[in-house]
Amino acid sequence: DTAVSQTPKYLVTQMGNDKSIKCEQNLGHDTMYWYKQDSKKFLKIMFSYNNKELIINETVPNRFSPKSPDKAHLNLHINSLELGDSAVYFCASSHQTGSEAFFGQGTRLTVV
Amino acid sequence: AQTVTQSQPEMSVQEAETVTLSCTYDTSENNYYLFWYKQPPSRQMILVIRQEAYKQQNATENRFSVNFQKAAKSFSLKISDSQLGDTAMYFCASSPQGGSEKLVFGKGTKLTVNP
Repeated sequence: DTAVSQTPKYLVTQMGNDKSIKCEQNLGHDTMYWYKQDSKKFLKIMFSYNNKELIINETVPNRFSPKSPDKAHLNLHINSLELGDSAVYFCASSHQTGSEAFFGQGTRLTVV
Repeated sequence: AQTVTQSQPEMSVQEAETVTLSCTYDTSENNYYLFWYKQPPSRQMILVIRQEAYKQQNATENRFSVNFQKAAKSFSLKISDSQLGDTAMYFCASSPQGGSEKLVFGKGTKLTVNP
């Protein structure tokens, strides 16, 4: 009965590969997000979707492409992975604008 | 633009004592929300407490309470009767009322509760 679940939890891959992280929420929320947490624990929003529509893209490289097949899912695909992409990626969702965000457990991506 | 500042990178407290974590913010919004999130070593982001800026009363959740000073744009978190399980990173965050997609986090305070 996990509210926001993302898979995988850990991902180790070589530079240049393409990988995807999946996220699903069963809370009935309209808005979903991807956040990146760097090695210094700083959390920064990457993308935000509301009812499958992209509403925020925070100057993230084009190699990152979110996809929302329906409002319960927001997947993140990353092309041509670079060493600097190593981080923890969090998916989150919220019910209405201004309310708190509920986070998934994070995916630790390591690019070698 | 919103900014959130946490000036204490690390803090420690003895078990059963009280500790206060500081947070200041800046926003041009009239209506906004403020949050404290906890991130234990398990990595999960957990909402601790939430404050709506238009409410003057400080929010409380069991051992956690805030001191919200709107004019000073200050939003500190007080943890009473600290427990070992409170050891975690604590993040202060704000979002405008009309857009939680603009949730902005501070850099976090690493709290260690010592036995």
